[in-house]
Amino acid sequence: DAGVIQSPRHEVTEMGQEVTLRCKPISGHDYLFWYRQTMMRGLELLIYFNNNVPIDDSGMPEDRFSAKMPNASFSTLKIQPSEPRDSAVYFCASSPSGTTYNEQFFGPGTRLTVL
Amino acid sequence: RKEVEQDPGPFNVPEGATVAFNCTYSNSASQSFFWYRQDCRKEPKLLMSVYSSGNEDGRFTAQLNRASQYISLLIRDSKLSDSATYLCVVNVDTGRRALTFGSGTRLQVQP
Repeated sequence: DAGVIQSPRHEVTEMGQEVTLRCKPISGHDYLFWYRQTMMRGLELLIYFNNNVPIDDSGMPEDRFSAKMPNASFSTLKIQPSEPRDSAVYFCASSPSGTTYNEQFFGPGTRLTVL
Repeated sequence: RKEVEQDPGPFNVPEGATVAFNCTYSNSASQSFFWYRQDCRKEPKLLMSVYSSGNEDGRFTAQLNRASQYISLLIRDSKLSDSATYLCVVNVDTGRRALTFGSGTRLQVQP
């Protein structure tokens, strides 16, 4: 079975440009999570969705970040305009509902560099 | 104070050694606890859940002390392939699916 798919795997852009990161969760998973990982701050939850509805976006740094989930098999995280401090690895993860423990399955990540 | 705190290491141990990692969490209402493993430049993957009674999976043993808000992971007979970063993870409210990750403890097993 395919795991969580993220694209692109690497993105290098210049400050001020728009960046769109994409994620396809595991089929049948009802929860989707976006995380950001840096050396300084570790792994931080940005936002998560349940059945395509945003549940908690308290981790989104500021208005430059937005996330959507138009259907059960696709989500985007957009940064506009991008800044050098946004450089990080962005992970998408998904999780099934109805389990007594909530293992999250992570995608391979998108390594973003903003120059 | 961070919600989940870990010693960043690195822990450098020889093959065959026993090594223990500790983690503390600040929210006494925390409900679920996990250890994730992250290899260099890879995504985190669930290693094991941590139950109140303690649990074991092969060479790995996890313990939880709710009174002290403390979680541990013990690795026996370390293998080279155990070299990775181990992330302590807490879920405060099972009604919310959000997980809080510690910054990780790096383990390097040496031949």
